[in-house]
Amino acid sequence: SQKIEQNSEALNIQEGKTATLTCNYTNYSPAYLQWYRQDPGRGPVFLLLIRENEKEKRKERLKVTFDTTLKQSLFHITASQPADSATYLCALDERAAGNKLTFGGGTRVLVKP
Amino acid sequence: DTGVSQNPRHKITKRGQNVTFRCDPISEHNRLYWYRQTLGQGPEFLTYFQNEAQLEKSRLLSDRFSAERPKGSFSTLEIQRTEQGDSAMYLCASSLGFSTEETQYFGPGTRLLVL
Repeated sequence: SQKIEQNSEALNIQEGKTATLTCNYTNYSPAYLQWYRQDPGRGPVFLLLIRENEKEKRKERLKVTFDTTLKQSLFHITASQPADSATYLCALDERAAGNKLTFGGGTRVLVKP
Repeated sequence: DTGVSQNPRHKITKRGQNVTFRCDPISEHNRLYWYRQTLGQGPEFLTYFQNEAQLEKSRLLSDRFSAERPKGSFSTLEIQRTEQGDSAMYLCASSLGFSTEETQYFGPGTRLLVL
C-alpha cells in the first residue's frame, strides 16, 4: 500500500540549532516533492519544491534533499528561531492530472529560546 | 494571507443538517482544489476543478458531498445529511493551472463540527 511517513513525534530544539525532519514514502513515484508549513488553525503555506532529478534545494535558512533511491526527503531548518515553531508537511506530486498533492501527517517543531 | 479566502471560518451543525462552504481563489488561478484535514493528520485530497470543470473526485467524496465551480471563479462544497465523521477542517487551494510544476496556495480553511 502507499504510505508517506513523517515523524509524528514533536521535535523540540534549542534556538540556533538545526532542525532536521524526515519524509519517507513507499509505492509512490513522485515527480515533485513539496514542503509546507502549517500554523495552528491556518492553512498550509508553501515553502519549497524539489524535482525528482534534483538532489538538493535551498531557500534562505531552509534546505531540502530528495533521494529517490532511498525514497526519502530531508528538510533542514538551520539557525532555528522560535518563530519557526509550526507543523511541517511534506507532500508528493506524482504528476497525475491536476497535480493533486498527497500529504504526510506532518511533524510539529518547537524551537525553544 | 495567501489571497485565497474561505467562508465561513467555523461551522457548528447538528447531525443530519446540510452545510455549504465557499472558497474564493486567487483571481487568475484556473485550478481549485478541496482537501479535508482531521486533527493530527495531513490534508487529504477530495476533488479539483480546472476552470469550471470538475476533473477528479476522491473516493473520500461520498454521494453526500457535492462541489461546484459554476463560473470558474469561486467554488462551493456542500455536505448533505452531515455525520459526526464529517467533522474536520475543509481546505481550499488554488493554482495557476498552466503547467505541471506549480505550487498550491491554501486558504485558512473552514472548521466543521458536527454534533
